[in-house]
Amino acid sequence: EIEMTQSPATLSVSPGERATLSCRASQSVRSNLAWYQQKVGQAPRLLIYAASTRATGTPARISGNGSGTEFTLTISSLQSEDFAVYYCQQYSNGYTFGQGTKLEIK
Amino acid sequence: QVQLVESGGGVVQPGGSLRLSCAASGFTFSNYAIHWVRQAPGKGLEWVAVISYDGRHKYYADSVRGRFTISRDNSKNTLDLQMSSLRPEDTSLYYCAKKMGFEAAGSPAFDHWGQGTLVTVSS
Repeated sequence: EIEMTQSPATLSVSPGERATLSCRASQSVRSNLAWYQQKVGQAPRLLIYAASTRATGTPARISGNGSGTEFTLTISSLQSEDFAVYYCQQYSNGYTFGQGTKLEIK
Repeated sequence: QVQLVESGGGVVQPGGSLRLSCAASGFTFSNYAIHWVRQAPGKGLEWVAVISYDGRHKYYADSVRGRFTISRDNSKNTLDLQMSSLRPEDTSLYYCAKKMGFEAAGSPAFDHWGQGTLVTVSS
């Protein structure tokens, strides 16, 4: 089974600043990676698929990068609605989620 | 608009059974694979099972294989998850989620999710 490791577990950033979240796969998943956002009491929402393609409705300030085993999600200028938990997911071989990164207001 | 509505959750004793359902609308249900994903209270997401658009192919997480069965009725636009031999560690919010890509093609990412139904396994 492919393991997904996200870092950091919690990231404290001020509104307007940039946030970079990391996701590492235990073996190559090529570009078969998605990012989801989950707010308290809500279902996850797809943000990015194929490592760097924005899903419908994902704002341009959110971008994904990487391939193979190393991936990043960058939010260029944090808005209040961006503070949430973010999960990466590989779908190269089965389906595995990372443990999540909580993005909190500094 | 795409809607997925889960139901059937509740409290069940260890060793018991429960059947979850997911009612779909707003898209051509028979063209898309559908997944079950669960989330234990305060924890992360865990993929549970998937069924292909035509119901021919089913895959399960190791943690539920042999105990859970996924099925679908394309004439009723519904998805089910029959859960048996339930354990306390199965306690979770269970989501159904739609595959983005059409039939066997396109992205396997999960582009729409329901709001979940809570299953509690406790004596």
